[in-house]
Amino acid sequence: AQTVTQSQPEMSVQEAETVTLSCTYDTSENNYYLFWYKQPPSRQMILVIRQEAYKQQNATENRFSVNFQKAAKSFSLKISDSQLGDTAMYFCAFIGFFQGAQKLVFGQGTRLTINP
Amino acid sequence: KAGVTQTPRYLIKTRGQQVTLSCSPISGHRSVSWYQQTPGQGLQFLFEYFSETQRNKGNFPGRFSGRQFSNSRSEMNVSTLELGDSALYLCASSLVSGEGHEQFFGPGTRLTVL
Repeated sequence: AQTVTQSQPEMSVQEAETVTLSCTYDTSENNYYLFWYKQPPSRQMILVIRQEAYKQQNATENRFSVNFQKAAKSFSLKISDSQLGDTAMYFCAFIGFFQGAQKLVFGQGTRLTINP
Repeated sequence: KAGVTQTPRYLIKTRGQQVTLSCSPISGHRSVSWYQQTPGQGLQFLFEYFSETQRNKGNFPGRFSGRQFSNSRSEMNVSTLELGDSALYLCASSLVSGEGHEQFFGPGTRLTVL
């Protein structure tokens, strides 16, 4: 069974700083997808960034980038120039390529607070 | 384009009752997945429906069931409610099933069991 581990329950940084959220996963599959989702307080969960395991290039979306280390099964999220609106729970998630379905396996989440 | 909608947003029930939650996916999306979110267990996959067929099921008892209609709207039902069923139930839709397609989440239904 696949598992996703986020070792940082909470993090706090000052506005404009750079912060990195950690995520490790365990799977025997070679092809899969990894995601970071953001859940702001009392608001809907939204996708931050998506990575396909067969792509060596790290995904980037504006201020958000990942460091995908396939051999180490590590998938960290870097937020540059952090903003107050980045305050949220962040979930790392996994889907196996051969599952043929949309079963996301989530980590326990990291509560990120951006301070003014 | 309207997002994923879930009704009702809040529900209070007592032990032993049953409840039905509804999810309307984004127009054109054919896959609907359900997740349970609790402080203790985090986010756990319940099941996914695609073209009215259940494609995958999580590790939940048979009291949890669901279905999908021809217009892709989905319902989940929980019978014989227990205190531990108190949770935020999230619905997510995607265009198709598989290949890691992005899932768009609804606001959730917060169920409280007394």
